Amino acid sequence: DGGITQSPKYLFRKEGQNVTLSCEQNLNHDAMYWYRQDPGQGLRLIYYSQIVNDFQKGDIAEGYSVSREKKESFPLTVTSAQKNPTAFYLCAAARGNQPQHFGDGTRLSIL
Amino acid sequence: SQQGEEDPQALSIQEGENATMNCSYKTSINNLQWYRQNSGRGLVHLILIRSNEREKHSGRLRVTLDTSKKSSSLLITASRAADTASYFCATDGQGAQKLVFGQGTRLTINP
Repeated sequence: DGGITQSPKYLFRKEGQNVTLSCEQNLNHDAMYWYRQDPGQGLRLIYYSQIVNDFQKGDIAEGYSVSREKKESFPLTVTSAQKNPTAFYLCAAARGNQPQHFGDGTRLSIL
Repeated sequence: SQQGEEDPQALSIQEGENATMNCSYKTSINNLQWYRQNSGRGLVHLILIRSNEREKHSGRLRVTLDTSKKSSSLLITASRAADTASYFCATDGQGAQKLVFGQGTRLTINP
């Protein structure tokens, strides 16, 4: 989706290292989301934000942190506390109760 | 937690045939959505059906919803090779902006 840009497409993390995944949107949507997807599985919600400077934990927030300083940006940090970070991470944005628009994901692997 | 359960987990059919995927959920919902995911990409919204609707069409897609059985089905008619993807249902049973995704059905269309 051209409206949601995730970078990088591939990311490698060393043991004990924090890494930050970028998500930018130009859709002017208030709500943004981070999901984790493991192979052959559905999406699990990590964090979401409905307005700037506010965010809530999803179902699997442990080992992750986010910030929402600007409407367009919702970066996700995978901390060293996340012991099994290898996964496909998807960012999404939505306006109100409308369907979510997704980026093309970041694949995180452990070195 | 995963609210949606999809059936079958994988489906392989010949081009031109119809494909049917089913989704069951556990709690009351306001709406149910279907998304498609091509390999290694983000999700793309296909169709949304509200809890007071029983059937909805969009092109070759037909979605039904039975709230008494807490189930939905997605029918793709006259399948094409380009329909090869994973298909996910998502419900808003945990709040209007907090979707819960099923584990998906992997659909393969054979030429």
